[in-house]
Amino acid sequence: DSGVTQTPKHLITATGQRVTLRCSPRSGDLSVYWYQQSLDQGLQFLIQYYNGEERAKGNILERFSAQQFPDLHSELNLSSLELGDSALYFCASSGTGQINQPQHFGDGTRLSIL
Amino acid sequence: AQSVTQLDSHVSVSEGTPVLLRCNYSSSYSPSLFWYVQHPNKGLQLLLKYTSAATLVKGINGFEAEFKKSETSFHLTKPSAHMSDAAEYFCVVSDMKRANTGNQFYFGTGTSLTVIP
Repeated sequence: DSGVTQTPKHLITATGQRVTLRCSPRSGDLSVYWYQQSLDQGLQFLIQYYNGEERAKGNILERFSAQQFPDLHSELNLSSLELGDSALYFCASSGTGQINQPQHFGDGTRLSIL
Repeated sequence: AQSVTQLDSHVSVSEGTPVLLRCNYSSSYSPSLFWYVQHPNKGLQLLLKYTSAATLVKGINGFEAEFKKSETSFHLTKPSAHMSDAAEYFCVVSDMKRANTGNQFYFGTGTSLTVIP
């Protein structure tokens, strides 16, 4: 058990809809990362937050947004969903986000767009 | 340019034989290197990490990896494969340059390990 909790585990919705994925980091971790994993793109870094502030941005679409709340949990919002957004979405956390700190991953949310 | 190259997309070994999963990296800075394992429908689990201490790193489940700067390699090994080792393995590099420009953790494309009984 990594200590990172993601909800829901599965989400099925239709094109054009909006969903919110939730992540609770390990106790004491200040940094949260979001990744998208699909068969054709592999594991793609989306965005990083540190103690409530956006720290780094990767291949995140404009239709996607995220935030980290004062209690350090994070949410990833996906809107105007397209079939290609079907993927596994992972959240990871680390203590302070330093380069020598490993990231600890949740079990992911599997998003299926019909 | 590739930051991390996992040289084999698929590796197949017999149970009880050694495992070698190859990883080469490129970094102009002192990198941190990690290996993660992903079992089907699960998240990534940290196997081991190198962060500029001992070059031979021991991880969980009998895995180890050796950091070779001259060869820019960080290959993952295990003396004897177990059926439960069948999974996807990811090599990851992290360095200050990447941290300053956005994508801190750079994942390789993964190696799928099959263990034959």
